[in-house]
Amino acid sequence: RKEVEQDPGPFNVPEGATVAFNCTYSNSASQSFFWYRQDCRKEPKLLMSVYSSGNEDGRFTAQLNRASQYISLLIRDSKLSDSATYLCVVSSSRDGSARQLTFGSGTQLTVLP
Amino acid sequence: DTAVSQTPKYLVTQMGNDKSIKCEQNLGHDTMYWYKQDSKKFLKIMFSYNNKELIINETVPNRFSPKSPDKAHLNLHINSLELGDSAVYFCASSQVAANTEAFFGQGTRLTVV
Repeated sequence: RKEVEQDPGPFNVPEGATVAFNCTYSNSASQSFFWYRQDCRKEPKLLMSVYSSGNEDGRFTAQLNRASQYISLLIRDSKLSDSATYLCVVSSSRDGSARQLTFGSGTQLTVLP
Repeated sequence: DTAVSQTPKYLVTQMGNDKSIKCEQNLGHDTMYWYKQDSKKFLKIMFSYNNKELIINETVPNRFSPKSPDKAHLNLHINSLELGDSAVYFCASSQVAANTEAFFGQGTRLTVV
């Protein structure tokens, strides 16, 4: 089983649609969770951190369910500029050593005019 | 100012050659990483290093070796390059504290011919 698994996608949605991405992780000792965005031929950049209580940043809402080891990202009123690959990222330490960020394989989103 | 910079941006080389990719961060972070993104766009960690400890992904061939002259630099040396090494290599840095994001360099697109 992969450490971090995401919806394979791709997702093609019209402008203004609401789209949700899901992610599960296998390491119950994982400490931090993030959603990153990667544009074509660019480096990944942080979209938002994910907190246990859930958090919102404008049109983006992230949720974390530690019991189910499940993370989600909801994008409302999608824009053309939201087209990118969204990466679920989990931070954990192996045997108490320095932490590592483990990336999911990413979900590609295309917002259509 | 660029937070994480890596050079070169593009590298085309022949099989069997030895090459290096340089990475520098000016964020004062204590942990640096190397990731490989293959043709399927999957980001996989190769190394993490926090000037006390080097963690090597066991799947990484020993032809790959990280070199850290100081906290701000983590270079990647690759010996005896193979066709399968062609990928985009990303350097990143973060603080070891759990809930902090990682910042990525722009990537080095390596093509082995």
